[in-house]
Amino acid sequence: NAGVTQTPKFRVLKTGQSMTLLCAQDMNHEYMYWYRQDPGMGLRLIHYSVGEGTTAKGEVPDGYNVSRLKKQNFLLGLESAAPSQTSVYFCASSYGLAGYRNEQFFGPGTRLTVL
Amino acid sequence: GQQVMQIPQYQHVQEGEDFTTYCNSSTTLSNIQWYKQRPGGHPVFLIQLVKSGEVKKQKRLTFQFGEAKKNSSLHITATQTTDVGTYFCALGRDDKIIFGKGTRLHILP
Repeated sequence: NAGVTQTPKFRVLKTGQSMTLLCAQDMNHEYMYWYRQDPGMGLRLIHYSVGEGTTAKGEVPDGYNVSRLKKQNFLLGLESAAPSQTSVYFCASSYGLAGYRNEQFFGPGTRLTVL
Repeated sequence: GQQVMQIPQYQHVQEGEDFTTYCNSSTTLSNIQWYKQRPGGHPVFLIQLVKSGEVKKQKRLTFQFGEAKKNSSLHITATQTTDVGTYFCALGRDDKIIFGKGTRLHILP
C-alpha cells in the first residue's frame, strides 16, 4: 500500500496563476482533508470531505476550492494564486470521523511558493 | 470555537534530559490525539487518549489525559536525537481535528 500520496512535491507559481494539487489514498478511507502548514501556525484545515461527492469548508477556505469525484482522490485548487498562499500543503485521510477514535494518515506534503 | 493551547512553543534539551509538552483546551474534550512531525517530514500519529485520567506509555513516551479531560501532556524520558521534531496535540470535534501549534523539540548533543 502506498498510503497517502500527493503530487506535485514542489511547485513555484507566479501571482495569479492557477494550479491543482492531487491527493490519492489507497486505504479505502471515507474522510479526506487538506491542511496548510506555516511556521509557528501549526496545521490549519482548509477543506475536508466526509465521502465521495461531498466537500466542506474548514478553518481557512478562502482562495481554495476542492473536489472529491472519486473516493480515493481529493483535489485542491488555487484559481488565482497569491503570495499569502505560499505554504506546505498536507493531505490526510481517515477511516471514520476524525474526531472519533480515528487517526489521520498524512501524505508527504507539497511545498508551494507563490512569487 | 474550540481552542487548543500548546506549550512550550520551543524546547531545547541536552540529550538524556527529559522533555514535556502540554496541551490545554477551553472546553471538555471527547478525545485527544498526539502526532509527531520530523523535520522536513509529515505528521505521524502517535496515540489517542479517550478516558479521563488515562495514562499510556510507548517506550520512553508517556501520555496523560487530565481528569477533567481539558488537558493532556506528553513526557519523554531521557531524550535521544531521534526524538527531534515537532509534537502536536489534536482535539477531536465533530468530523474534523483541531491541531495545536506544536512544540518543537531540539536536542543538544
